[in-house]
Amino acid sequence: AQSVTQLDSQVPVFEEAPVELRCNYSSSVSVYLFWYVQYPNQGLQLLLKYLSGSTLVKGINGFEAEFNKSQTSFHLRKPSVHISDTAEYFCAVSDKNNNDMRFGAGTRLTVKP
Amino acid sequence: GAVVSQHPSWVICKSGTSVKIECRSLDFQATTMFWYRQFPKQSLMLMATSNEGSKATYEQGVEKDKFLINHASLTLSTLTVTSAHPEDSSFYICSASRIWGYEQYFGPGTRLTVT
Repeated sequence: AQSVTQLDSQVPVFEEAPVELRCNYSSSVSVYLFWYVQYPNQGLQLLLKYLSGSTLVKGINGFEAEFNKSQTSFHLRKPSVHISDTAEYFCAVSDKNNNDMRFGAGTRLTVKP
Repeated sequence: GAVVSQHPSWVICKSGTSVKIECRSLDFQATTMFWYRQFPKQSLMLMATSNEGSKATYEQGVEKDKFLINHASLTLSTLTVTSAHPEDSSFYICSASRIWGYEQYFGPGTRLTVT
């Protein structure tokens, strides 16, 4: 079965600074990769996904992620964050052969003014 | 497109009672629906997977007699928490998939508090 490790539980940054949220996965099969954002007391909103093709994936709200197969990573980046980006971010991996999706523990991004 | 709703958004019930949570795919047919549980400041843990018209497949450690899942149609799945106890208090999130092996679309979640 696949698994996901989010290397940072909390990431504090100042407004307009760049940010990278790290995600590593392990799987014996081909996978799809996802990043979700969760605001307090809300469900998950898809930021971006990697299914195939270009390893650099662009998502909503100015986020992007790069799939690195050799390093089994899928780090999320944003060149300049806003206060409104403060939220919990989850990396997830899904087995291509079924719908078994596993989530990382989450990274709490806090953007300070 | 691909909107999933949950009802209710939050519910408070007394210990020993049962609570039903609905998950609906509003603009697509969901061949598979998933139920997750999320404790405060923790990640989502998959509870069970259900295919329309079939019995749900529960993850290890999830009591199938306590968490009853019904997926009677391609747009509706229900989770019933039977004989609820305070430790069942949690955020329950459903998701739906319309193509096997593809993306899941998540509902907004249901906050259950058992007193």
